[in-house]
Amino acid sequence: NAGVTQTPKFRILKIGQSMTLQCTQDMNHNYMYWYRQDPGMGLKLIYYSVGAGITDKGEVPNGYNVSRSTTEDFPLRLELAAPSQTSVYFCASSDRGFNTEAFFGQGTRLTVV
Amino acid sequence: GNSVTQMEGPVTLSEEAFLTINCTYTATGYPSLFWYVQYPGEGLQLLLKATKADDKGSNKGFEATYRKETTSFHLEKGSVQVSDSAVYFCALRGPNQGGKLIFGQGTELSVKP
Repeated sequence: NAGVTQTPKFRILKIGQSMTLQCTQDMNHNYMYWYRQDPGMGLKLIYYSVGAGITDKGEVPNGYNVSRSTTEDFPLRLELAAPSQTSVYFCASSDRGFNTEAFFGQGTRLTVV
Repeated sequence: GNSVTQMEGPVTLSEEAFLTINCTYTATGYPSLFWYVQYPGEGLQLLLKATKADDKGSNKGFEATYRKETTSFHLEKGSVQVSDSAVYFCALRGPNQGGKLIFGQGTELSVKP
């Protein structure tokens, strides 16, 4: 059982480039999330989805886009990368119900230079 | 809106010392509360949870009690080990919030032999 899988693990981008961070889960979870983690700042929610075809903005959505065409996949797109997007990105998934836990991927460390 | 506040880190303790990491929250309704742990270079994993007032979550010697009257969910362990060195995150999920998991800023714990 793989859980939540993120790719790539590391990436260096130049300013203005674009990329897609991949996330897939094999637990048939309805809810999926993207967070970014900056040093000493905790986790900030970028986007989330409550099911295929449904996405919504979190606290820090600017500069990012998402799609959810299947239950399993929730890619995060960075357009026109900026140094402020240097961070560690985590994808997570959970079942419905606010008393259920979320499962996290291993993270993607992104550096924009 | 919902929010979580944790005590500032880093926290440095000697092995076998008593640990408390404070967590307070603001939420409408009756949220579920979680503690997650992040070991170096890894994603987050659930440590324990409590889903209603006066519930006590426990795991690996860690405990936390859901105190509605003080809106708190403090993490405690009676005797820490070097292997407990990690970053600890308090989090909540509230009803009618689209499944969003809201995190505190994290507290780094370093345990010295």
